[in-house]
Order: sequence, then C-alpha cells, then structure tokens
Amino acid sequence: SQQGEEDPQALSIQEGENATMNCSYKTSINNLQWYRQNSGRGLVHLILIRSNEREKHSGRLRVTLDTSKKSSSLLITASRAADTASYFCATEETSGSRLTFGEGTQLTVNP
Amino acid sequence: SAVISQKPSRDICQRGTSLTIQCQVDSQVTMMFWYRQQPGQSLTLIATANQGSEATYESGFVIDKFPISRPNLTFSTLTVSNMSPEDSSIYLCSVAPIMNTEAFFGQGTRLTVV
Repeated sequence: SQQGEEDPQALSIQEGENATMNCSYKTSINNLQWYRQNSGRGLVHLILIRSNEREKHSGRLRVTLDTSKKSSSLLITASRAADTASYFCATEETSGSRLTFGEGTQLTVNP
Repeated sequence: SAVISQKPSRDICQRGTSLTIQCQVDSQVTMMFWYRQQPGQSLTLIATANQGSEATYESGFVIDKFPISRPNLTFSTLTVSNMSPEDSSIYLCSVAPIMNTEAFFGQGTRLTVV
C-alpha cells in the first residue's frame, strides 16, 4: 500500500515560475528520493536526501526533509516547459531497500 | 550505478494468456524489485526477488498470478499469468545496489491486455 501522500495532485504554472511539491510519509526512513516520469515512461532519479539531512540542492532543484513532521518538499526554480512531467517521492524504510512511492504530482509548465 | 535492460518494452496480449518480462542488470545485486504502475497512478511494489530463495510478495499480490524467477544476481523475470484487462499497466524492475543510495529502474514494460 502507498504510504506517501503528495500534494498537490496537479499543478499548472507558467514558465519561469517556481513549482513546489510536497510529500508526507508514515514510517521511519533511511532516505527520501524524488523521481520524474515523462508520459508513463521510465523513472528519472532527481535527488536523494538522507534522514540525517535537512536540505539538499541540485541545479534548479531544492529538497527539504523534516523527519519530525515526516514530510518533504521539492522546489523547482525557474521552471521550463521541459519540466512538464509527473513527480514522485519515494521513501526507503529503515527495514530495507524497498521503496514506497507517493501518489505523485502532475506538473504542467506552460510556455 | 547500475544499468538495467528490461524487455519487452511493450506488448499487447490476449486475455487468458501469460507474459514474461525480463530484467537484466549490468552488475550483481542482492535484491531486485518489481513494481506495477496502473494507468494514471503511482508505483506499487509487487515483490522483492531474492537470489536463491522465493520472492517476497506484498499484500494483494500472489505467486500464482505473478511468478518470479531469480536464477542469478544479474537477472530476474516476472510473469503476469492468466491476464485480464485489469492487468494492463506498466511493469518496472528496479535495483538498489547499496542500501541508502539511489535506486535504478528499467524503462518499463507497457502491457495492454485485450
């Protein structure tokens, strides 16, 4: 069963704007990962943040993790039309390497 | 890192038949994972494939419907048996070579059952 919840389910913005997606989870984790998926194709790994980290950056991506609230956020700055995709968070639980995925956010960036 | 080759990339199958999906990794990994992604939804773990032992299935998935083989540390297959239109999904294999690091995914198999 899905342990993660993401919001919003869908987000539509204009190019150049920032996009923020949120993820919540329920159990203790080793890490939380964000993935992108274009039109039902393979998953592209974006960023991994470990349970002892609070913030991480990669290019235009910024991820935060609050283990006390069991939540994470993904910020995409200066969005581009090419960022249009579905974004999923996934948690690796302390019990093993299996990932549990959130429901996903469909991001549309309008040119 | 790990490179995963998954095939077929897509297939259209008749109901009542079975399809076997193959997943080949370019390095040895202890665990491989099989996920299902139903149309418009997120990924759900089907099972963990362990080399040398039976796969571990998640709640709602059974071996008779989704038999898995794991003959060595670089290869696994997932069979979708006695298919119905409800099995139309994308099936993905995944590996996590080292715990607490990035997971890698195959490109997925898009299955349509008619």
